[in-house]
Amino acid sequence: ETGVTQTPRHLVMGMTNKKSLKCEQHLGHNAMYWYKQSAKKPLELMFVYSLEERVENNSVPSRFSPECPNSSHLFLHLHTLQPEDSALYLCASSQGTGEAYGYTFGSGTRLTVV
Amino acid sequence: AQRVTQPEKLLSVFKGAPVELKCNYSYSGSPELFWYVQYSRQRLQLLLRHISRESIKGFTADLNKGETSFHLKKPFAQEEDSAMYYCALSGRNDYKLSFGAGTTVTVRA
Repeated sequence: ETGVTQTPRHLVMGMTNKKSLKCEQHLGHNAMYWYKQSAKKPLELMFVYSLEERVENNSVPSRFSPECPNSSHLFLHLHTLQPEDSALYLCASSQGTGEAYGYTFGSGTRLTVV
Repeated sequence: AQRVTQPEKLLSVFKGAPVELKCNYSYSGSPELFWYVQYSRQRLQLLLRHISRESIKGFTADLNKGETSFHLKKPFAQEEDSAMYYCALSGRNDYKLSFGAGTTVTVRA
């Protein structure tokens, strides 16, 4: 599949669980991102990876842990989440710096913390 | 700091009427501006970007640096234009993209 693929599409987890979100892109992009989309709030940038190195972390709580093993894959490891972490988590990729072409987004993972 | 403001959360227009979505930004350097759209049950996707000066699906947007605005316009709205629209900004040579809160557009028959 081309584009940006996120799995799972939906996830329900308890506050003591550990789970991971996966993102995969086959566009040859070298930058990848995690965004959080909550109801009634703007999209919030969480993490930025460029050439597999984390270049930005927007003060995200440590219960969210990203991993970028290569330029095509991005993970978001979750542990001891809170109910307010329930949201749509979007992955995106771009060709790199000097972003003039926009991002390509995945469909997102709908996370519910119970 | 960069910030994007979309003052309208909801916008309702009749089919065939003009539609304008407002976007104002705050950025100290040279901005790159974009409009993204999210149709019902679809992923967020790029609609247009200011540097290409293109018209996509009848939509245009002009960057006004004096007013720090990048309003999205379409002269004749169609029902299939009903969606959530996000204005976004990044700096030149900066891949961080900041989004506005979004405007939900409903086009009524």
